[in-house]
Amino acid sequence: GNSVTQMEGPVTLSEEAFLTINCTYTATGYPSLFWYVQYPGEGLQLLLKATKADDKGSNKGFEATYRKETTSFHLEKGSVQVSDSAVYFCALNNNAGNMLTFGGGTRLMVKP
Amino acid sequence: GAGVSQSPSNKVTEKGKDVELRCDPISGHTALYWYRQSLGQGLEFLIYFQGNSAPDKSGLPSDRFSAERTGGSVSTLTIQRTQQEDSAVYLCASSPLKPATQYFGPGTRLLVL
Repeated sequence: GNSVTQMEGPVTLSEEAFLTINCTYTATGYPSLFWYVQYPGEGLQLLLKATKADDKGSNKGFEATYRKETTSFHLEKGSVQVSDSAVYFCALNNNAGNMLTFGGGTRLMVKP
Repeated sequence: GAGVSQSPSNKVTEKGKDVELRCDPISGHTALYWYRQSLGQGLEFLIYFQGNSAPDKSGLPSDRFSAERTGGSVSTLTIQRTQQEDSAVYLCASSPLKPATQYFGPGTRLLVL
C-alpha cells in the first residue's frame, strides 16, 4: 500500500535559517506528490505539488523536487520567516479517486 | 470565491450520542472527501464521493460511521454511538474533476466526553 514518512518535529530554527523537511514515500505506479501547510488555528492549505518525476514544485519561497530514484520529495526554503511557523504535511495520491495519503506532519517553529 | 465550509466548528458530545457534521464544498466541485486528524493516527482518509457514483467508503473505521451527499453538493458525516476514540478534527475537502487538487475546509473539532 501507499505510505509517506516525514521527519518528526518539532523543527526549531532561527529566522533566515535554511529549512529542509525530509519526506519519502512508498507507492505503486507514478503518484502525484504534495506539501500541505497548516497554520495555527487554520485549515490545511496546499503549498506546492509535483505530478511527475523531476518536476519541481514551488510557492512562497518553498521548493520540493520529485525524485523517483530516491522516492523523495523533500521540502526546502532558503530563508525562513517567523510567519512560516506551522505544521507541514507531505502527501501523495496515485489512485483513481485521488484520495490523499499523508505523512505524520512536521511542526516548524521559527524564532525571531 | 467561497471556500469549503464546515459546521459546526466545534462539537462536544457525550459518549453514546450521535453526531452529524456538515460540509459545504466549493461550488462546481464534483469530488468530496472526508478525512480525520487525530493525535494517534495522524491524517487519515475516511470516505470519497465523486459525482453521482457510489461513494468509496474504504476508509471508514467502523459501521458507526456513515456519510451522504445530497444533490451532489452538501455532505453530512454521521457518527452513531460516539466513543471517546472518535475525538478528532474531521476535515472535508473538495476538488474539481481536473485538476484534482483538493481544497480543505477548516474542520470540525469533535470531543467525546
